[in-house]
Amino acid sequence: ETGVTQSPTHLIKTRGQQVTLRCSSQSGHNTVSWYQQALGQGPQFIFQYYREEENGRGNFPPRFSGLQFPNYSSELNVNALELDDSALYLCASSWEGGLGEQYFGPGTRLTVT
Amino acid sequence: KQEVTQIPAALSVPEGENLVLNCSFTDSAIYNLQWFRQDPGKGLTSLLLIQSSQREQTSGRLNASLDKSSGRSTLYIAASQPGDSATYLCALEQGGGKLIFGQGTELSVKP
Repeated sequence: ETGVTQSPTHLIKTRGQQVTLRCSSQSGHNTVSWYQQALGQGPQFIFQYYREEENGRGNFPPRFSGLQFPNYSSELNVNALELDDSALYLCASSWEGGLGEQYFGPGTRLTVT
Repeated sequence: KQEVTQIPAALSVPEGENLVLNCSFTDSAIYNLQWFRQDPGKGLTSLLLIQSSQREQTSGRLNASLDKSSGRSTLYIAASQPGDSATYLCALEQGGGKLIFGQGTELSVKP
């Protein structure tokens, strides 16, 4: 059984640029949720993808978008980066729309300068 | 709106001490509550999951309790070790797999 993986590990971007982060879900899981964790804060829910459809969204603007692929891996895209987007981005995989325990990946550290 | 609070924000204890971390929430309509550990700059490791119908869960030196009526959960760590040093986060789910997190308690266990 493979765990949740994320790429890249670290990323530095300039304000106004666009970024794509990737997540591979744990084997057998069909749901991926994305979270943003600012320094010293708890993670904040961005959105969830279940069977390739968005299945819930937190209080984030439309420039945060995502995709889920047939193999249930997922991408998080952020357009028009702002300094406040600097954070650790975490993905979590689970069963059937988030039932039960959620398993987190190691995260991608995004720095916007 | 659900709010999750963790107290204290930081805690420093000598090795071997038993300790309790607290998590409180404002809305008792939850599906489950999960405790996580986070090492600096790293992802989250799930420690314990308590379903809303359960009162507690145990794993090794860890015991988590849930009291929905009072909106509280505690994580008890027995015989703390320096390797337990990390940030501990509680998160609750109200449906749809969306987790609502507290801000965490940063634990330091001194040798």
